[in-house]
Formats: sequence, C-alpha cells, structure tokens
Amino acid sequence: DAGVIQSPRHEVTEMGQEVTLRCKPISGHNSLFWYRQTMMRGLELLIYFNNNVPIDDSGMPEDRFSAKMPNASFSTLKIQPSEPRDSAVYFCASSLSSGTPAAQYFGPGTRLLVL
Amino acid sequence: AQSVTQLDSQVPVFEEAPVELRCNYSSSVSVYLFWYVQYPNQGLQLLLKYLSGSTLVKGINGFEAEFNKSQTSFHLRKPSVHISDTAEYFCAVSGVLRDALNFGKGTSLLVTP
Repeated sequence: DAGVIQSPRHEVTEMGQEVTLRCKPISGHNSLFWYRQTMMRGLELLIYFNNNVPIDDSGMPEDRFSAKMPNASFSTLKIQPSEPRDSAVYFCASSLSSGTPAAQYFGPGTRLLVL
Repeated sequence: AQSVTQLDSQVPVFEEAPVELRCNYSSSVSVYLFWYVQYPNQGLQLLLKYLSGSTLVKGINGFEAEFNKSQTSFHLRKPSVHISDTAEYFCAVSGVLRDALNFGKGTSLLVTP
C-alpha cells in the first residue's frame, strides 16, 4: 500500500525562482496537511484541506506561498518568488477524518534549499 | 489554542535502560494527544495516540504513554531502549474542532551502547 508521495525529494533553486512542491495523499484519505520543518521553528502547519477545501491557511507565511488541491489525489504548494529563508523541509501528510482527529500519515518530505 | 511543551531537547541514555520523554499540554478544551517519531531524513511516523478511554496508551516498538489530566501531561516511556530507538520524538496536540496538529519542538533521543 503506497504511502504519501511527495516530489521532488530535493530541490535547489536560486532566490526569485518559482518552486512547486507536489503531494499525492493516501487513497481514500479526505484531509491533507502541509507542514514546514526548520531547526529554528520546528514543525509548523502551513495549511490543511478537508475534502479538497482549504480549512485553515493561517500558517501560510505570506502571499508568496499558495496551495491548491484540485482533486482528492493531488495537492501542490507553490512559492513564488522564493527566498533563502524558505529553505526547509516541507512535509505533506494525509488522514481519514471522521469526526475525531485521526492519525496523520506523513510523506518523506521535500528538502528545499534556496540560494 | 492548544499547545504542547516538550521539556527536554535532548535525552541521552544507555542501551537497555528505561527512558521517559516529557510532554505537557495546554488547552482549555478536551484534547487529543499524539506521539510521533522521526528517523533521520525521514517523515514522521505515529507511535501512539490518546483520544479517550484508558489513560495508559500502548504504541508501536514497545513505547507507551500515560495521559494525566490533573498534571496536563502525556509522557512517553519505554522500559528498555535499543540503539535503533535513536531518533527525534514529537509530542502533538489536536483540539476537538480541528484536525490539524500542533507539534512540540521535539526531543532528540540518543541511545548509546
């Protein structure tokens, strides 16, 4: 059974470039989460979707960040333009929500380095 | 808002010794609590969760945690650790009305021979 799939696993880009991170949740899951992990700030929730609808995007740092979930099997997180302070590991997670909080299953992460 | 505090950033321990990783939570409503483990260069993996019922929760890899409402704690324990338990451990809390998790800063467990 495939877990959460993220691509790319590593991304190196230059400041000012557009970066797109991709996520395929576990089939049948109805909630999807994007997290960012840095040494300084730990794990931060950026945004989460339920049934493809954004529920809480209060963690999105600023307008340079945007996320979409066009269908139940795909989501993107875009940074435009990217800055060095965006360097981090970005995780996607999914869960099957049914009233009470469910366990989240994490992907392997995308390690982003902005030069 | 719900939050968790992991009291130790690093915990060194010898192999086969017991270990306790501490977590305190803050919430004005009922909470759901989780422990996750992150091995180097990997995503997070669920160890155990407390939703309701028995306050002693057993998880994978021999770990267990006890929910203590009066002390607002959810400490993680293992009676005998292995080298392979070396990893980062995260406590997380989720409120009743939202699925998203608020994570602690993490505790680095280092098991040495």
